[in-house]
Amino acid sequence: AQKVTQAQTEISVVEKEDVTLDCVYETRDTTYYLFWYKQPPSGELVFLIRRNSFDEQNEISGRYSWNFQKSTSSFNFTITASQVVDSAVYFCALSLLSYNNNDMRFGAGTRLTVKP
Amino acid sequence: NAGVTQTPKFQVLKTGQSMTLQCAQDMNHEYMSWYRQDPGMGLRLIHYSVGAGITDQGEVPNGYNVSRSTTEDFPLRLLSAAPSQTSVYFCASSSGTPLYEQYFGPGTRLTVT
Repeated sequence: AQKVTQAQTEISVVEKEDVTLDCVYETRDTTYYLFWYKQPPSGELVFLIRRNSFDEQNEISGRYSWNFQKSTSSFNFTITASQVVDSAVYFCALSLLSYNNNDMRFGAGTRLTVKP
Repeated sequence: NAGVTQTPKFQVLKTGQSMTLQCAQDMNHEYMSWYRQDPGMGLRLIHYSVGAGITDQGEVPNGYNVSRSTTEDFPLRLLSAAPSQTSVYFCASSSGTPLYEQYFGPGTRLTVT
């Protein structure tokens, strides 16, 4: 069975600090996709990134960057120079695709608070 | 486009009552899903559908029913509400499977007393 672990329940930083959110996943499949979603205080989930299991290249998007390492089954998310608007709950998720399994598993989430 | 809409936003039920949570999307997405969000547990998949007329169970399907008669609508039915079903429910849609970005609705906060 697949599983996603976000060991950090809550993180608090001061504005402009860098912060890394950890995500560790478990699956026996060789083909899978990993995601990060953001849930701001308004409640709606917002897609941030998708990465497939065959692409281990790191990705950078503005102040956001993602580090995918299959050797450690991790897909960590770093926010550089954090801002108050980054305060949210962040979810890591794993999706498999097989003939009879088409679902997605989310981690428990990490609540990030960025203080001014 | 309205995206994914959910009604109601809030609902209080008594144990044993039934109700339907509504979900609709106007993006012509084939894939739709229902999740529940509980503190400390993230989102858990209840049911999903890969197209009209096709539904399947997710991780926590017990106590819930779904149907998909049209591409746009994917209602979630609670047949006999229990306090354990107190949660925030999210509907989502995607142009493909979950392999693509999912668009989430605003959620329905359900309390069962």
